[in-house]
Amino acid sequence: EPEVTQTPSHQVTQMGQEVILRCVPISNHLYFYWYRQILGQKVEFLVSFYNNEISEKSEIFDDQFSVERPDGSNFTLKIRSTKLEDSAMYFCASSEQTGELFFGEGSRLTVL
Amino acid sequence: GESVGLHLPTLSVQEGDNSIINCAYSNSASDYFIWYKQESGKGPQFIIDIRSNMDKRQGQRVTVLLNKTVKHLSLQIAATQPGDSAVYFCAEKGGNTGKLIFGQGTTLQVKP
Repeated sequence: EPEVTQTPSHQVTQMGQEVILRCVPISNHLYFYWYRQILGQKVEFLVSFYNNEISEKSEIFDDQFSVERPDGSNFTLKIRSTKLEDSAMYFCASSEQTGELFFGEGSRLTVL
Repeated sequence: GESVGLHLPTLSVQEGDNSIINCAYSNSASDYFIWYKQESGKGPQFIIDIRSNMDKRQGQRVTVLLNKTVKHLSLQIAATQPGDSAVYFCAEKGGNTGKLIFGQGTTLQVKP
């Protein structure tokens, strides 16, 4: 069964460092998303991406965040200068159309 | 602002009993709803969805009910099993970008 894969599964970084989280969406999907989940809280929308551009972003997705689809398979989330409050699980998701989203297993980011 | 929430943070049931998890949403314009299951350390896993032109949809051991009058969504799990223990989130689709708004989550505990 096709699945969304994410790397790394866990990243520990120092405050102020840049982090790149990587995702390989399901191959025939056209819509890509990043969500985050702070420990014990609900899943929060960050950004949606379609046709090589951001289609929507939340207020969380400020100038420190960026997304890119550098090739035909990867979808990345970059945090330029991490803050303590960026510590969370980051989930990538993809969908064929704007229907069911398929989520990856997540990348845990710990900012020290 | 728009929000999706759950009535109870934790639900404890006996194995074999039926479970009902509730969700209230506030955006009457939402037309698509999904229930996700999240096991510890994993990404959200699709359970069942429903569109706003329906009021009931059944899957294998699960039923979703939608009451648009009171903006209420519920997930019924028949013959609950230990493997059903997880956090359950309802999610609401807003706009045409595929963005999902998640509720707070209900932890389902199944006692053997």
